[in-house]
Amino acid sequence: NAGVTQTPKFRILKIGQSMTLQCAQDMNHNYMYWYRQDPGMGLKLIYYSVGAGITDKGEVPNGYNVSRSTTEDFPLRLELAAPSQTSVYFCASSGSSSGNTIYFGEGSWLTVV
Amino acid sequence: AQTVTQSQPEMSVQEAETVTLSCTYDTSESDYYLFWYKQPPSRQMILVIRQEAYKQQNATENRFSVNFQKAAKSFSLKISDSQLGDAAMYFCAYRTTSGTYKYIFGTGTRLKVLA
Repeated sequence: NAGVTQTPKFRILKIGQSMTLQCAQDMNHNYMYWYRQDPGMGLKLIYYSVGAGITDKGEVPNGYNVSRSTTEDFPLRLELAAPSQTSVYFCASSGSSSGNTIYFGEGSWLTVV
Repeated sequence: AQTVTQSQPEMSVQEAETVTLSCTYDTSESDYYLFWYKQPPSRQMILVIRQEAYKQQNATENRFSVNFQKAAKSFSLKISDSQLGDAAMYFCAYRTTSGTYKYIFGTGTRLKVLA
């Protein structure tokens, strides 16, 4: 069972570069989320989506963009990377098919230098 | 707005002993979900246990059980017969059954298991 798959797992970016974190789920979940977790801290919601074509901002959306063209995929775009974006990024999904439990990917470790 | 509070930043327990992690939440909703997640050093978020608010019976999963006190808005996690592999960050989470379908997480409790 794949669940939620994130790529890449590790990435080093230079200041000002851009990149996309990929996320895919195979559980037919309507809801998908992107969180970031800074060292020693909890989870902060960046963006979320309630279905294909519908996205909304979370607590910390600045510097990021998302799109949801299909139910399965929810990529996160980092524009003009800054050292403050050094973090672990988690994609997650939930839906009625899994009792509304949120399931997480393994995380993407991003360092901006 | 709903909030989730974990007032214990760090806890320690001897191997084979029992420990209870606290979680309180604030909501005006009557129906919602509550969760405990474990995050080991690998950073993977692992579901430990889940509780639906309309169910009065406390959820259990092997050595893990909860004490759900709806009126007090309390959702503590009890780990029995603690093992070295239980050492991790534990996050309490809340989700309403209506509205924006966002999950609200507490700030976490770091559990150390002493051999």
